Amino acid sequence: DVKVTQSSRYLVKRTGEKVFLECVQDMDHENMFWYRQDPGLGLRLIYFSYDVKMKEKGDIPEGYSVSREKKERFSLILESASTNQTSMYLCASSLARARGYTFGSGTRLTVV
Amino acid sequence: AQSVTQLDSQVPVFEEAPVELRCNYSSSVSVYLFWYVQYPNQGLQLLLKYLSGSTLVESINGFEAEFNKSQTSFHLRKPSVHISDTAEYFCAVSGGNQGGKLIFGQGTELSVKP
Repeated sequence: DVKVTQSSRYLVKRTGEKVFLECVQDMDHENMFWYRQDPGLGLRLIYFSYDVKMKEKGDIPEGYSVSREKKERFSLILESASTNQTSMYLCASSLARARGYTFGSGTRLTVV
Repeated sequence: AQSVTQLDSQVPVFEEAPVELRCNYSSSVSVYLFWYVQYPNQGLQLLLKYLSGSTLVESINGFEAEFNKSQTSFHLRKPSVHISDTAEYFCAVSGGNQGGKLIFGQGTELSVKP
């Protein structure tokens, strides 16, 4: 089975800090995605990548950036954390769209 | 742009009762449809998917969903729920002009009571 590993389950950061959320998958998937999950809003796509060094904005990219230097690793960066970025962040990968995604366990980020 | 609407944010049911979680999507072109389940403090797991062929798809734990093209719906059903089915359920769609991206609904919280 594909494993998607997010480096932290819980994080607490201060307003204005630069925050890195790491995601690693072990099955050579081309496609990787970052979502945030908020009650009543479901999952909203922040950024995605279909290949190394490639990135595309999702529906809510403001305040975020990403890095994909290696195929297996997709990092989400909060350039200057704000309290409205307190959320659950979910990373996912897929081989092809028809197969659906495999998700990591999520990182619950609190910005104080 | 495509959208997915889950019509109920919360569904409370008693154990062994039937349940239906409703999902409608907006696209009129060929799409792939998915249901994911999220147990407390965990990531999302794929429950079942519709790609093509038979409009009725089943999961290994007794859930089924029916693709209805004319009504653009993909409702999830189970004839008899267990306490362990308590979770949040997400409907998702890919295809059309969205490429490989999944568009998710808002989620339905299923709460099974003894």
